[in-house]
Amino acid sequence: DAGVIQSPRHEVTEMGQEVTLRCKPISGHNSLFWYRQTMMRGLELLIYFNNNVPIDDSGMPEDRFSAKMPNASFSTLKIQPSEPRDSAVYFCASSRDRQTRANQPQHFGDGTRLSIL
Amino acid sequence: GESVGLHLPTLSVQEGDNSIINCAYSNSASDYFIWYKQESGKGPQFIIDIRSNMDKRQGQRVTVLLNKTVKHLSLQIAATQPGDSAVYFCAENPLQFYFGTGTSLTVIP
Repeated sequence: DAGVIQSPRHEVTEMGQEVTLRCKPISGHNSLFWYRQTMMRGLELLIYFNNNVPIDDSGMPEDRFSAKMPNASFSTLKIQPSEPRDSAVYFCASSRDRQTRANQPQHFGDGTRLSIL
Repeated sequence: GESVGLHLPTLSVQEGDNSIINCAYSNSASDYFIWYKQESGKGPQFIIDIRSNMDKRQGQRVTVLLNKTVKHLSLQIAATQPGDSAVYFCAENPLQFYFGTGTSLTVIP
């Protein structure tokens, strides 16, 4: 079975540019999560969706960050404008519906390594 | 605030020995815990989970122990192999799956 698919795997861009990260969750999973991982702060939850609806975006660092989930098989995380401190590995994860089936493990993609110069 | 943390940031073990990785949590309302393994360049991979109505659960070469009295979680890996070298995270629910910085396990051949 295909796992969570993220693209691109690596992104290097100059500060001020717009960055768009993409995620395809596992088919049948209704919850989708975006995380950011750095050495200093570890793995931080940015936002999560349930049935394509954003449920908790309290982890989104600032207005420069936005996330969408237009359908059950696709989500984007956008940073505009990007800054060097946004450099990190961004992970997408999915799970079965947390609202109706609590206690479901998350399945992670292999991440996008983002470098802002 | 409430958090999940790890006691030791690094752990080195001889191949064939058993490994124990510990995790402390502070939210007594948490009812579900997961251990993840993260290899270099990859995303966290689910290893094993445990619900709060259990104190022990076994998988293939791994055992998770939950002590709700002291809010402590541990992951035991039997007969540790070089392929077990990775960073291990615990996470708790129903919080927003807060992860600590992880414990780096190195297996010495």
